[in-house]
Amino acid sequence: DVVMTQSPLSLPVILGQPASISCRSSQSLVHSDGNTYLSWFHQRPGQSPRRLIYKVSNRDSGVPDRFGGSGSGTDFTLEISSVEAEDAGVYYCMEGTHWPSFIFGQGTKLEIK
Amino acid sequence: QVQLVQSGAEVKTPGASVKVSCKASGYSFTAHYIHWYRQAPGQGPEWMGRIHPNSGAANSAQNFQGRVTITRDTSITTAYMEMTRLTSDDTAVYYCTRDDRAGSVDYWGQGTLVTVSS
Repeated sequence: DVVMTQSPLSLPVILGQPASISCRSSQSLVHSDGNTYLSWFHQRPGQSPRRLIYKVSNRDSGVPDRFGGSGSGTDFTLEISSVEAEDAGVYYCMEGTHWPSFIFGQGTKLEIK
Repeated sequence: QVQLVQSGAEVKTPGASVKVSCKASGYSFTAHYIHWYRQAPGQGPEWMGRIHPNSGAANSAQNFQGRVTITRDTSITTAYMEMTRLTSDDTAVYYCTRDDRAGSVDYWGQGTLVTVSS
């Protein structure tokens, strides 16, 4: 199985400052169809995960443009250009290249200082 | 709008079984896989399996094979996940989620807390 490793596991950030989360996969996420199926999710306590980004860099509808995804192959990054209070919570990357299972990383907890 | 509504919280004793339902609405139920995940406190979501509602074909993760059965009833646009031989390690929130047919999942149920305790 593919293993998704995130860093850091904990990320304290001052309001208005940028934040960056790394996600590394144990195998390439480039699918035979040429696409790279890497998504990012945000989860607040007591809530279901909410998808922010799909296929590395595509923002979901309603996701603020301060969120951006990048990367290729096995290394990916989620960046928040200017953190707001509502961004607190846990961020997960997820790979969807190696069907049938879609594997999540262990999560990065972003806290606002 | 797309909605996945799950059944309510369950409390089970060790060795019992649990069956969680996931009622889908707002889209063509038979056109999208449904995946099941569980999430223990402080952990990331763990993939359990998936089903294609049109054919009923299902896969489950190696970790759960023999204990997890995923089914669906197309007449009521509902998917089910049943787990047998529960232990305290199975205490978690269980989620259903819709495959977006593009290498990801988009909509999630609200989660079902399953507590296993003697």
